[in-house]
Amino acid sequence: DTAVSQTPKYLVTQMGNDKSIKCEQNLGHDTMYWYKQDSKKFLKIMFSYNNKELIINETVPNRFSPKSPDKAHLNLHINSLELGDSAVYFCASSSGNTIYFGEGSWLTVV
Amino acid sequence: RKEVEQDPGPFNVPEGATVAFNCTYSNSASQSFFWYRQDCRKEPKLLMSVYSSGNEDGRFTAQLNRASQYISLLIRDSKLSDSATYLCVVIFNTGGFKTIFGAGTRLFVKA
Repeated sequence: DTAVSQTPKYLVTQMGNDKSIKCEQNLGHDTMYWYKQDSKKFLKIMFSYNNKELIINETVPNRFSPKSPDKAHLNLHINSLELGDSAVYFCASSSGNTIYFGEGSWLTVV
Repeated sequence: RKEVEQDPGPFNVPEGATVAFNCTYSNSASQSFFWYRQDCRKEPKLLMSVYSSGNEDGRFTAQLNRASQYISLLIRDSKLSDSATYLCVVIFNTGGFKTIFGAGTRLFVKA
């Protein structure tokens, strides 16, 4: 009955590979997000979708491509992974001002 | 200047102590304020909203000072379980709502 669930939780992959992280929320929220938290613990928004429509796209390399097949799902695909992509990626959804985060996906690029 | 700044700490306090964190924000159009808590290797979770009149939830008190553009979080009678990172969150409207997280203040409560 997890509210915001994302998979995989841990991912170790080589530079240059392409990988995807999936996210689903069962809260009925219209807005979903991808956040990145780096080694310095800064939590930065990458993308925000409202009812499957992209509304925020921060300065993120175009190797990162979000896809929202419906308002309950927001997946993140990353092409040509680089060492600097190593971070924790949090999916989230919101109703009003409260943001609910998934447990995070720990991505390590080697 | 960062949009939201916090003292990273860490704050090391004994059980039972009172500890306070401040967070400053640079955008005077900021509208909503929150404190989130993040445990080690876990996701952030909402701790409490911050209202202009100040608000209290048990041992936690949050206050907002719009004139000086800062918010604060006071924890009384610290427990071991309060050990976490506390994230200040500010929402402002510049043609669209933007949510900014501070980098967090780490708190260690020791026995």
